[in-house]
Amino acid sequence: GEDVEQSLFLSVREGDSSVINCTYTDSSSTYLYWYKQEPGAGLQLLTYIFSNMDMKQDQRLTVLLNKKDKHLSLRIADTQTGDSAIYFCAETGLTGGGNKLTFGTGTQLKVEL
Amino acid sequence: EPEVTQTPSHQVTQMGQEVILRCVPISNHLYFYWYRQILGQKVEFLVSFYNNEISEKSEIFDDQFSVERPDGSNFTLKIRSTKLEDSAMYFCASKDNEQFFGPGTRLTVL
Repeated sequence: GEDVEQSLFLSVREGDSSVINCTYTDSSSTYLYWYKQEPGAGLQLLTYIFSNMDMKQDQRLTVLLNKKDKHLSLRIADTQTGDSAIYFCAETGLTGGGNKLTFGTGTQLKVEL
Repeated sequence: EPEVTQTPSHQVTQMGQEVILRCVPISNHLYFYWYRQILGQKVEFLVSFYNNEISEKSEIFDDQFSVERPDGSNFTLKIRSTKLEDSAMYFCASKDNEQFFGPGTRLTVL
């Protein structure tokens, strides 16, 4: 079945860039997503990329996709303390009828002053 | 901005009891989903629902689980006889192009 993996923790200093990495196994993935989860809260969609793209930029967020290596990354420029959260990579593919999302383990980003 | 809402925010129940978790999806969305997140674990897909029927379900979604869209606005998840291992955060989502998630219901089974 599909699998999505992420590193568990990342610690950065305020003002630095953060890069969160994700790998996936489903070669039929069509869309790949980044969600943010703050403590006690739901999942907030940050950005997504279609599988025929290799880069997408949205303000401080840059998504890079290497489809050959099935590797996705999220770069947050000028990281702020408000960016501290868990970041989930997710993919949806052509298998199944309901476009379910398969989530990664989540990366906890800690931003230090 | 429209959003997915869920009630209650926290539900405590005794093992063996039935629970119904409620969701109000975004009004013009046609696809609806339930996911769960056991504490410290991945968010896991349970079921997707389209055109008044289940379109896909996971192995977790066994006969103890059911979903319903009883009217034009609500989408519910019923667990008939809760088990301790059903304790989790349950997220509802609805979709037009992307899936938007509700804030979740924390279910605690004692």
